[in-house]
Amino acid sequence: DSGVTQTPKHLITATGQRVTLRCSPRSGDLSVYWYQQSLDQGLQFLIQYYNGEERAKGNILERFSAQQFPDLHSELNLSSLELGDSALYFCASSADRVGAGELFFGEGSRLTVL
Amino acid sequence: QQPVQSPQAVILREGEDAVINCSSSKALYSVHWYRQKHGEAPVFLMILLKGGEQKGHDKISASFNEKKQQSSLYLTASQLSYSGTYFCGTVSGGSNYKLTFGKGTLLTVNP
Repeated sequence: DSGVTQTPKHLITATGQRVTLRCSPRSGDLSVYWYQQSLDQGLQFLIQYYNGEERAKGNILERFSAQQFPDLHSELNLSSLELGDSALYFCASSADRVGAGELFFGEGSRLTVL
Repeated sequence: QQPVQSPQAVILREGEDAVINCSSSKALYSVHWYRQKHGEAPVFLMILLKGGEQKGHDKISASFNEKKQQSSLYLTASQLSYSGTYFCGTVSGGSNYKLTFGKGTLLTVNP
């Protein structure tokens, strides 16, 4: 158990819909990362937050948005969903701010868009 | 920006050694190594930082050539439990703290 909690574990929805994925980081960790993992793809970096502020941004689509709240949990919002958005979405937390610390990954949220 | 890993896949017999390589076109601040077993989350193996510091598990060894922006992960006397996909992640530093992972190397260890 990494200490990172992601909900929901599985989600099935239709194209055009909107979903919210939630992540609670490990106790004490201020950094939260979001990654997308599709079949035959590695871990695609989406975005990182540190103590409520956006720290780094990857190839995150405009239809996707994220935020980190004062209690440090984070949410990833995916809207106008397309079939290609089907993937496993991982959240990871770290005590480190600048990419020099271990990441602890949650079990992921598997999104299926039909 | 995505680091390049090689080989893409490797098959070993228990007890054999393997090396997984990772290279980047950018100057690196840190290199991360993670292992992911099928259906599970990635698990931390090691971090190598610019300047020589390393953090990780005692049974894992890796190198980081800062001048060449390359890192290698050394798996010796492989065990069945080593099977999985190994990901290299890099941070370029400066004001860019993106931790970007390569596509992974699938390692299969057979009895």
